[in-house]
Amino acid sequence: EIVLTQFPGTLSLSPGEGATLSCRASQTVSSTYLSWYQQKPGQAPRLLISGASNRASGVPDRISGSGSGTDFTLTISRLEPEDFAVYYCQQYGGSPPFTFGQGTKLEIK
Amino acid sequence: QITLKEYGPTLVKPTQTLTLTCTVSGISLSTSGVGVGWIRQPPGKALEWLALIYWHDDKHYSPSLKSRLTVTKDTSKDQVVLTMTNMDPVDTATYYCAHSDFWSGYYGFNIWGQGTMVTVSS
Repeated sequence: EIVLTQFPGTLSLSPGEGATLSCRASQTVSSTYLSWYQQKPGQAPRLLISGASNRASGVPDRISGSGSGTDFTLTISRLEPEDFAVYYCQQYGGSPPFTFGQGTKLEIK
Repeated sequence: QITLKEYGPTLVKPTQTLTLTCTVSGISLSTSGVGVGWIRQPPGKALEWLALIYWHDDKHYSPSLKSRLTVTKDTSKDQVVLTMTNMDPVDTATYYCAHSDFWSGYYGFNIWGQGTMVTVSS
């Protein structure tokens, strides 16, 4: 099983600052198969990034993804109030075919 | 516009079987590339993928839960059904269905239902 470890567990920042969220895989993951989601309280997850770096429709360009191999990053520049949420990475491949990280909570400092 | 919505009981007793239905609109379950997955989230915890069924009836299950899960689809009703046997309090969670586009090549879930909370308690 490919385990995704996200860090930090919680990130406390102020609006206007930049955020860097990390996702590390226990084995090599094809960048094509790495996605990022945002989840706000009481809501379903929302797809942000597919293929490690491709923004989903409607996602602002201050949100970006990068990485390859075992290390992937979600970067949010100039944090807006609506960006404070929990973020999950997800990979496809191996057994089970889909796994999620444990999440990073981005909270207002 | 593709939408998904989950239906099912809010409360089940331990050892009972849970049956959840995901109704899909805006796309046919027989359309090439359409996949519908089930993901759950215990209160305050992370997402856990459970199962996925594709347009051509190919099915995939979480190995840790495979013996308890069955996913089927009824194309005429635009519904995907997940059954989970032998429910336990640890299965208490919000259950989501979500769309995955096989031909995108990314294997992510781009559209999610609102989720349905299921509590397992006697």
